[in-house]
Amino acid sequence: GQSLEQPSEVTAVEGAIVQINCTYQTSGFYGLSWYQQHDGGAPTFLSYNALDGLEETGRFSSFLSRSDSYGYLLLQELQMKDSASYFCAVNNADSNYQLIWGAGTKLIIKP
Amino acid sequence: IAGITQAPTSQILAAGRRMTLRCTQDMRHNAMYWYRQDLGLGLRLIHYSNTAGTTGKGEVPDGYSVSRANTDDFPLTLASAVPSQTSVYFCASSDGPAETQYFGPGTRLLVL
Repeated sequence: GQSLEQPSEVTAVEGAIVQINCTYQTSGFYGLSWYQQHDGGAPTFLSYNALDGLEETGRFSSFLSRSDSYGYLLLQELQMKDSASYFCAVNNADSNYQLIWGAGTKLIIKP
Repeated sequence: IAGITQAPTSQILAAGRRMTLRCTQDMRHNAMYWYRQDLGLGLRLIHYSNTAGTTGKGEVPDGYSVSRANTDDFPLTLASAVPSQTSVYFCASSDGPAETQYFGPGTRLLVL
């Protein structure tokens, strides 16, 4: 079967750095995406990795290791507005490249 | 630029009733999707369409149907609603199947 695992909740302090991990089991892996969702809002795209390594976009970075079926999202200089749920999602080439989603990690930021 | 719009924003529906959730995008994206998100969970794909005129089943298609008569619209129909279909429904679109997905604001549906 296909599955993604990520922590259900992470707590961090404003200004700090936090890493949200994601491990996956899937055939036909094509790429790993990260989305952010604020309470009551819609998911918005953050980052995408198809190849091994680090992708950086401002305060956010995402890493992928295909051999380890593992990725993470790194958030630096945390701000209160970063309080949200973060989802990893895998593109599956065996299923028309549809996204398979993790259950999400709720990031709680304390002042 | 509106992006993706969904209607209604929220709805309370009696079990057994038929309901169509509307989704329209103005980005000329080829692919569109319907997801449901239950409290505290990730998104599950209901149906998708890679291009106008074609549709496919996702992870949880039972009880739902879709059509894609044109590029912009992708309605989702619940033929006979059941309480287990209480959820938040998100429509999304992308340039292609493996491209970044852009989401509508969601429809909150309560089936009693």
